[in-house]
Amino acid sequence: KQEVTQIPAALSVPEGENLVLNCSFTDSAIYNLQWFRQDPGKGLTSLLLIQSSQREQTSGRLNASLDKSSGRSTLYIAASQPGDSATYLCAVNPLRASKIIFGSGTRLSIRP
Amino acid sequence: DTAVSQTPKYLVTQMGNDKSIKCEQNLGHDTMYWYKQDSKKFLKIMFSYNNKELIINETVPNRFSPKSPDKAHLNLHINSLELGDSAVYFCASSQDRGGYEQYFGPGTRLTVT
Repeated sequence: KQEVTQIPAALSVPEGENLVLNCSFTDSAIYNLQWFRQDPGKGLTSLLLIQSSQREQTSGRLNASLDKSSGRSTLYIAASQPGDSATYLCAVNPLRASKIIFGSGTRLSIRP
Repeated sequence: DTAVSQTPKYLVTQMGNDKSIKCEQNLGHDTMYWYKQDSKKFLKIMFSYNNKELIINETVPNRFSPKSPDKAHLNLHINSLELGDSAVYFCASSQDRGGYEQYFGPGTRLTVT
């Protein structure tokens, strides 16, 4: 059974720092892994999707990596800004299942 | 143009009532989903439809009944609402079943009093 874990549950850093959010999953049989952002009381915004054959994806200050064999993904945020404050969700899309499985999220707070 | 839309955005109702949430996608996708986000912010799949056919039903109480009148719509009807049904419900769609990227709607916050 696929399980997705995100550590830490919450993170507070000063503005300007580079930071890494972690995601781990128990079954490497996946189509892809997706990182989402959720602002309080809002919907989900897709940030990056990494196919199982890829090692990383980049968008602006965000870089997501995928190590399928070890069941790990990281989301790297460079030069953090207060506007990056949100909950970041990792989700895997398992093979043989038409659904995605979410982690519990990391609540990120960037202090000005 | 909103890709995946849901109505209403907020829904407050009393225990025992029946309510519906509507979802529409204009992406031409074949597969649609309902997810539930509980008070601890944990998101979990409820249902998935592909070409109007139910393909996933994740042990959801039968008070919840999804209906897909066509590929672009997936509505969620809830009978005899309970306090524990209070949550945010997200609709999503993808091009097809399997490993396609899923696009999410803005969510419907349901509060049962």
